[in-house]
Amino acid sequence: EAQVTQNPRYLITVTGKKLTVTCSQNMNHEYMSWYRQDPGLGLRQIYYSMNVEVTDKGDVPEGYKVSRKEKRNFPLILESPSPNQTSLYFCASSSSGTAGGYTFGSGTRLTVV
Amino acid sequence: DAKTTQPPSMDCAEGRAANLPCNHSTISGNEYVYWYRQIHSQGPQYIIHGLKNNETNEMASLIITEDRKSSTLILPHATLRDTAVYYCIVGYMEYGNKLVFGAGTILRVKS
Repeated sequence: EAQVTQNPRYLITVTGKKLTVTCSQNMNHEYMSWYRQDPGLGLRQIYYSMNVEVTDKGDVPEGYKVSRKEKRNFPLILESPSPNQTSLYFCASSSSGTAGGYTFGSGTRLTVV
Repeated sequence: DAKTTQPPSMDCAEGRAANLPCNHSTISGNEYVYWYRQIHSQGPQYIIHGLKNNETNEMASLIITEDRKSSTLILPHATLRDTAVYYCIVGYMEYGNKLVFGAGTILRVKS
């Protein structure tokens, strides 16, 4: 089944403890992206990648890192999480990178205490 | 950044057509209209997109006005499972173009 898989689904962590949220897609998509969703603010793009070793900042990149060493994987790294990064995170991928072709993962609910 | 205006919420009776409006008066000539939906806190799901002509697929129909300043998403026979937030997005059909989500419309389908 074609899908975008995120792990973990839920995570509670403490301030400052480095964490990684994984994202993997099995559709051979070039384009991948991370979004966060917060009440009242909607979905906002964090980082995106147009291909292997090509990444760029989205609208809210502060406090996050990404890497794209392989086509299928696009992990989101929080080096020193803070409570304002408590949010619902979504990874998405697309073969065309156009707005009509995105497949989203099921989400990761992160709580930083 | 959102270039669209949607009503905050709508109700629809189960089995009836749900018509969700969207205003995009500043749309450019080669920008597309896209619709996604998000059920509860799941990942957004692509529904349909169009440029000028009306479009239909197995999920919905998209009606775009001739001046392209507004559009309507039609779910022909709404079910309880169609209760979701529906997002109308405008954007270019270019590689790397990101989705810019607005607040969307909460559609409640009631039995």
